[in-house]
Amino acid sequence: SQQGEEDPQALSIQEGENATMNCSYKTSINNLQWYRQNSGRGLVHLILIRSNEREKHSGRLRVTLDTSKKSSSLLITASRAADTASYFCATDAHRSNYKLTFGKGTLLTVNP
Amino acid sequence: DTEVTQTPKHLVMGMTNKKSLKCEQHMGHRAMYWYKQKAKKPPELMFVYSYEKLSINESVPSRFSPECPNSSLLNLHLHALQPEDSALYLCASKGLGSGSKNEQFFGPGTRLTVL
Repeated sequence: SQQGEEDPQALSIQEGENATMNCSYKTSINNLQWYRQNSGRGLVHLILIRSNEREKHSGRLRVTLDTSKKSSSLLITASRAADTASYFCATDAHRSNYKLTFGKGTLLTVNP
Repeated sequence: DTEVTQTPKHLVMGMTNKKSLKCEQHMGHRAMYWYKQKAKKPPELMFVYSYEKLSINESVPSRFSPECPNSSLLNLHLHALQPEDSALYLCASKGLGSGSKNEQFFGPGTRLTVL
């Protein structure tokens, strides 16, 4: 079953703008990860935030985690056309036996 | 080498055919995964192998048969598939044990079409 729910399902912005995507989940987690997928290709790991962390940065990416609300957000600053892709959150639940559960994803389009 | 490779890139097969998808990694990862992904949907977990043993089967129909011949290779044998099995099949790997990162490394996928 899919635990994560991203919103929005689709987001279209202009180059240079910031993009924010949200993810909600239902059960206790060890960590939450964000992945990116270019059309028809494999997924690429972007960033991982542990359940005891509240915020994490990596380059132009900023991830927050609110375990009380069971939600996370991914912010991409100063977006580029090359950021156009689908973004998925994935949760690694407690005692999951290595299993990741992916959210439905947000399709981000960055217009030049 | 931080790459997961998958062959073939594309596969078209009839419902009576037998074919295999292959996945390979040389990162020393001891967990390997098969996912199925339909268009505009997230990946759905099919199987997980850990230390070359099947640890998770997500109630996948028996027409899909996984195999892990060694720690670097993962196969998915296909037989008597249905048109609704057409999808992108993704392989992934992950390190296990203390000090391993939790991220999964994905291959580029095999685009499967069942006629």
